[in-house]
Amino acid sequence: GQQVMQIPQYQHVQEGEDFTTYCNSSTTLSNIQWYKQRPGGHPVFLIQLVKSGEVKKQKRLTFQFGEAKKNSSLHITATQTTDVGTYFCAGGDGGSQGNLIFGKGTKLSVKP
Amino acid sequence: DAGVIQSPRHEVTEMGQEVTLRCKPISGHDYLFWYRQTMMRGLELLIYFNNNVPIDDSGMPEDRFSAKMPNASFSTLKIQPSEPRDSAVYFCASSFSGKFQPQHFGDGTRLSIL
Repeated sequence: GQQVMQIPQYQHVQEGEDFTTYCNSSTTLSNIQWYKQRPGGHPVFLIQLVKSGEVKKQKRLTFQFGEAKKNSSLHITATQTTDVGTYFCAGGDGGSQGNLIFGKGTKLSVKP
Repeated sequence: DAGVIQSPRHEVTEMGQEVTLRCKPISGHDYLFWYRQTMMRGLELLIYFNNNVPIDDSGMPEDRFSAKMPNASFSTLKIQPSEPRDSAVYFCASSFSGKFQPQHFGDGTRLSIL
C-alpha cells in the first residue's frame, strides 16, 4: 500500500539556523499537505501543493513539490523558538480507494 | 468560527470499561475523520465518514472499536472493552468537499487505560 516516509525524525537547531524536512512517497501523489503540531496540541493545516514542481512560500517557510510528485520538502529559514513542534506531511494518491496518508513527522526543537 | 469540538479532553479509566469519545465537526463540513496518535505508530486513520455514512473503516483496530455518525453535527468513537494498549490521543478532524481537502483537527482526547 501507499507509504509516506518523512526524514529526519528529529532535528535540533540553534535559533537562527535553517531547517529542512523531507517527505517521500512510494507512489505518485495527487497532492501533498503540510501540518504543524505544537507540543500538546493538534495538527494544524499549513499548506497544500498540487502541481508538479510547485513552490509556495509563507514568510520564512518554503514548501516544494517534486517534479515527479513523489516527494516534497519544507524549509524554514532562520528558525525561531515559535517554530518548535512536529511537522507532518500528508499525501493523497487521488484515487477513489486511497486516503490521505500522514508521515510520522519531524520533531523540531530550537535552542534559543 | 467554532472549530472541531471534541470531548472529553482527558479520559482515564480502568481496563475493561467502555469508553465513548465525542466529536462535533465544523458546520458545513461533509467529511469526518477519526485518528489515533501514538509515539510508536504516529497518526493513524481509523475511520472516516462522508455525509454521515462510514466509507472506510479499515483502520479500526478490531471489533472492540466502533464509530457512528447519527447526524451531520455529531460523531462518536466507542471502545468496548478498553485495554491498556488503547491508550493514545484520539483526534477527530473534518473537511469540506473531499477526503483530500485540508483537514481541521479538534484538540483531541488523551485516553489512558489503566
